[in-house]
Amino acid sequence: GQNIDQPTEMTATEGAIVQINCTYQTSGFNGLFWYQQHAGEAPTFLSYNVLDGLEEKGRFSSFLSRSKGYSYLLLKELQMKDSASYLCAVRDRGKAAGNKLTFGGGTRVLVKP
Amino acid sequence: NAGVTQTPKFQVLKTGQSMTLQCAQDMNHEYMSWYRQDPGMGLRLIHYSVGAGITDQGEVPNGYNVSRSTTEDFPLRLLSAAPSQTSVYFCASSYSSAAANYGYTFGSGTRLTVV
Repeated sequence: GQNIDQPTEMTATEGAIVQINCTYQTSGFNGLFWYQQHAGEAPTFLSYNVLDGLEEKGRFSSFLSRSKGYSYLLLKELQMKDSASYLCAVRDRGKAAGNKLTFGGGTRVLVKP
Repeated sequence: NAGVTQTPKFQVLKTGQSMTLQCAQDMNHEYMSWYRQDPGMGLRLIHYSVGAGITDQGEVPNGYNVSRSTTEDFPLRLLSAAPSQTSVYFCASSYSSAAANYGYTFGSGTRLTVV
């Protein structure tokens, strides 16, 4: 099975940087995803890591260390619209699992002016 | 392109009633899944399917049934609703390859209350 941990809530100021950590323990690993979810809405895909290192997409970056079972999502130049929950998810290994994801509890980020 | 369509958006059931949540996608995705999300929590997997005719249980399958007779549709059935099933339900789909960056496309969710 999968065990995924993330902080429950974080607060940051507009224009600042916030780093959301995710640690996982898995029986099989085949990639890690980050999703953004605004209140009352469905999650939307943000980033994907399968190899160690940093993936950058504009203001958002995601890092993975497979040996440490650790990932983080970095949000730079925070904007008010970045106030949302951020969900870390791990994909199972194995063809039978297809694209099966296990999600962490999510980190609620509040951006203050 | 409609993406993933979930119906209904809202539903109130009485304890013991049954109902089916509908999910349809028009992207020819092999993989479909159902999650529930309780207040302040992440998504918990109920059932998933890697293709037509193939389904499997997720983390919290009790009280729910699924079938996958076509690639497009993946309905979720509540057999006898209980207050513990009050939640927001999301359907998600994607291509099935386990070797690529296939993020999910989510439906807009069904908010279910069981009284």
